[in-house]
Amino acid sequence: GENVEQHPSTLSVQEGDSAVIKCTYSDSASNYFPWYKQELGKRPQLIIDIRSNVGEKKDQRIAVTLNKTAKHFSLHITETQPEDSAVYFCAATIKAAGNKLTFGGGTRVLVKP
Amino acid sequence: GAVVSQHPSWVICKSGTSVKIECRSLDFQATTMFWYRQFPKQSLMLMATSNEGSKATYEQGVEKDKFLINHASLTLSTLTVTSAHPEDSSFYICSARDGLAEYNEQFFGPGTRLTVL
Repeated sequence: GENVEQHPSTLSVQEGDSAVIKCTYSDSASNYFPWYKQELGKRPQLIIDIRSNVGEKKDQRIAVTLNKTAKHFSLHITETQPEDSAVYFCAATIKAAGNKLTFGGGTRVLVKP
Repeated sequence: GAVVSQHPSWVICKSGTSVKIECRSLDFQATTMFWYRQFPKQSLMLMATSNEGSKATYEQGVEKDKFLINHASLTLSTLTVTSAHPEDSSFYICSARDGLAEYNEQFFGPGTRLTVL
């Protein structure tokens, strides 16, 4: 089955700096890669996603890049703010396998004022 | 976006009792719902995939007789934790996929925190 690795597990940045989280996946059939932000005790919130036919996608301060050849994708947050502090999860899914999401281990991001 | 509700939001029960958690898609029809479990400071682990009108598909290592899943309608799936024990204490989250949507996005419920004493 699919395996998703996520790094780093914790990330501390100064407010205004950029944060980068990287994920790798194992199954080349994966075709959808969402990123979620989860605050303590809350549901995961989709912040951005990318499909396998696209190499990069941007939404204001958030961007995601996908390298299908290397089977890795990354989340970039620019101009970080204290409210960006949360746990971020990457995930991968295979449409042909029932759209099951396989999550990475998560990255705890702390933005210091 | 689509809305998924979950009930209850938290529950405390005694060891050996059963607990039922409901997951509802409020404004779309969910042909498929997913049940996850999340332990503190860990990632979401898929427990099972629930398809309307058919038996759930359980992930390896998840006891189907302990975690009973019913998806009787296009808007409701239930997870029953039978004979709960303290090690079942966790955050249970459901998600639903819009059967008519072209893309794969899943919408998550707010989660249910189960504490077994």
